[in-house]
Amino acid sequence: AQSVTQLGSHVSVSEGALVLLRCNYSSSVPPYLFWYVQYPNQGLQLLLKYTSAATLVKGINGFEAEFKKSETSFHLTKPSAHMSDAAEYFCAVSEVGGFKTIFGAGTRLFVKA
Amino acid sequence: KAGVTQTPRYLIKTRGQQVTLSCSPISGHRSVSWYQQTPGQGLQFLFEYFSETQRNKGNFPGRFSGRQFSNSRSEMNVSTLELGDSALYLCASSLDEGPGETQYFGPGTRLLVL
Repeated sequence: AQSVTQLGSHVSVSEGALVLLRCNYSSSVPPYLFWYVQYPNQGLQLLLKYTSAATLVKGINGFEAEFKKSETSFHLTKPSAHMSDAAEYFCAVSEVGGFKTIFGAGTRLFVKA
Repeated sequence: KAGVTQTPRYLIKTRGQQVTLSCSPISGHRSVSWYQQTPGQGLQFLFEYFSETQRNKGNFPGRFSGRQFSNSRSEMNVSTLELGDSALYLCASSLDEGPGETQYFGPGTRLLVL
């Protein structure tokens, strides 16, 4: 069965510092992996997704994530945090033919001035 | 293109009542999924519809049901509401043209059960 684990329900960084949000997955077959962002009182917006092409995936707003099969990880990074990055981030996994997406518990990112 | 729309945006009901939520997908999208989001349980998958057929269902009681119409619009219904049903209900649509399809989310319907 698929599952997603996001390490750290809250992460706090200073503006300009590196953002690292951790995601580990379990899946019986090669999965498709996603990172979504949710701003207050809004729905989710796709940041990036991995679909078995390049293992380093670049997304919007300067975010990127690297798929590491040996570590079953798909961590999200951004070199320099901006105040506008403060939001909740969700890692998600889906399998081909599964017709459903499983989300992690989410990590709330705080950015300090 | 207009995004995914959900109506109503906010709803207050009392225990025992039923509620129907509506979702209009992006034009051309044929797959619609529903999720329940709560602070304690996070985002949980309810069900997914494609061409008026439910293809997958999450682990929710039978009080939660849904349907999809021929124009891909979808509704979900919750009968005999309980306090624990208070949540943000999110709808997402996708083209469903292949693996790794991106889902586009609506703003959600916030349901409060008193």
